Amino acid sequence: DGGITQSPKYLFRKEGQNVTLSCEQNLNHDAMYWYRQDPGQGLRLIYYSQIVNDFQKGDIAEGYSVSREKKESFPLTVTSAQKNPTAFYLCASSMVTPTATNEKLFFGSGTQLSVL
Amino acid sequence: SQKIEQNSEALNIQEGKTATLTCNYTNYSPAYLQWYRQDPGRGPVFLLLIRENEKEKRKERLKVTFDTTLKQSLFHITASQPADSATYLCALQAGYSSASKIIFGSGTRLSIRP
Repeated sequence: DGGITQSPKYLFRKEGQNVTLSCEQNLNHDAMYWYRQDPGQGLRLIYYSQIVNDFQKGDIAEGYSVSREKKESFPLTVTSAQKNPTAFYLCASSMVTPTATNEKLFFGSGTQLSVL
Repeated sequence: SQKIEQNSEALNIQEGKTATLTCNYTNYSPAYLQWYRQDPGRGPVFLLLIRENEKEKRKERLKVTFDTTLKQSLFHITASQPADSATYLCALQAGYSSASKIIFGSGTRLSIRP
């Protein structure tokens, strides 16, 4: 079954703690993305990566970090510097076409992060 | 500043009617625009993509238009059904390079009453 898998489904963070959200895809997509969604809001881009070992900041990167060591994996770390981490986190992937545009995004089922 | 806005936070219509959702953007020149459906607690699901050189795209009961002069896309659901109730998001690639980020509007919550 091809798809994009996020884990865990629910995550709790203590104050001062770093937590890492997992995102794995077996779609052979080059591009991967992390979005944050607050209740009743749209998606805001945290980080994105077009290729292994390279990534760019999105609109709200402060307090987050990522790595892209493998094509299939794009983990997101929510650091203690992120003072308001409670949100629904969505990972996505897409193909990059020969014309250098990104096609449709495939999303994971999300991780709900809450602060204890 | 660059913005992508979906004009209605919520839309409530009668079953069988056509739902029309609006997406406006400023200070972007997108190569294409996409529409997604999101159910509560789930990730968005892709519905349609329309390119800058296309005026209209259809898929079953769905229709999308794209007016680059007005910087607007309209999303229509004809013969709406209660099962169409969800939040609908528009998204665009902010530029022509694959390194351009993909950004989303805030979404419109659509409710179809029987």
